[in-house]
Amino acid sequence: EAQVTQNPRYLITVTGKKLTVTCSQNMNHEYMSWYRQDPGLGLRQIYYSMNVEVTDKGDVPEGYKVSRKEKRNFPLILESPSPNQTSLYFCASSLSIGDRDNEQFFGPGTRLTVL
Amino acid sequence: SQKIEQNSEALNIQEGKTATLTCNYTNYSPAYLQWYRQDPGRGPVFLLLIRENEKEKRKERLKVTFDTTLKQSLFHITASQPADSATYLCAPLSFVFGPGTRLSVLP
Repeated sequence: EAQVTQNPRYLITVTGKKLTVTCSQNMNHEYMSWYRQDPGLGLRQIYYSMNVEVTDKGDVPEGYKVSRKEKRNFPLILESPSPNQTSLYFCASSLSIGDRDNEQFFGPGTRLTVL
Repeated sequence: SQKIEQNSEALNIQEGKTATLTCNYTNYSPAYLQWYRQDPGRGPVFLLLIRENEKEKRKERLKVTFDTTLKQSLFHITASQPADSATYLCAPLSFVFGPGTRLSVLP
């Protein structure tokens, strides 16, 4: 089954404790992206990757890191989480970002609470 | 500055009626526009993509129009059902989403 998986689905942590949210897709997609979704602010892109070893900042990259060492995986790293990073996080992938085949497939989401 | 507006935060309609959702954008010139559905606590799911040279696109009970002059897309669900209740997001760029309209179809 074609899918994007994220782990963990739920996470409660404390300020400053490094964490990683994993994302994996099995569709051989080139483009992967991380979003956060907050009430009243909608979906905002954090980072994206157009291919292996190619990553770039989205609209809200501060406090986050990503890596793309393999095509299928795109982990999101919070080196020193803060309470303002409490949010619902989504990973997404698509075959491309051109005007064709750019339908994004989203993961199930990770609800992160930073105390 | 670039902006995306969706007609209202919430829309309630009676089952069987046609729901019409609006997406307006400013300072974008998209070659296409996408619509997604999102259920509470879940990731968005792609519904339709319409290109700038297409005036209208249909998929089952869904219809999307795209007016690049007005910078507006309309999303229609005909013969709406309670199962259509969800938040609908428009995306004039692949990675930029509107705030969404929460649709409730009342039985």
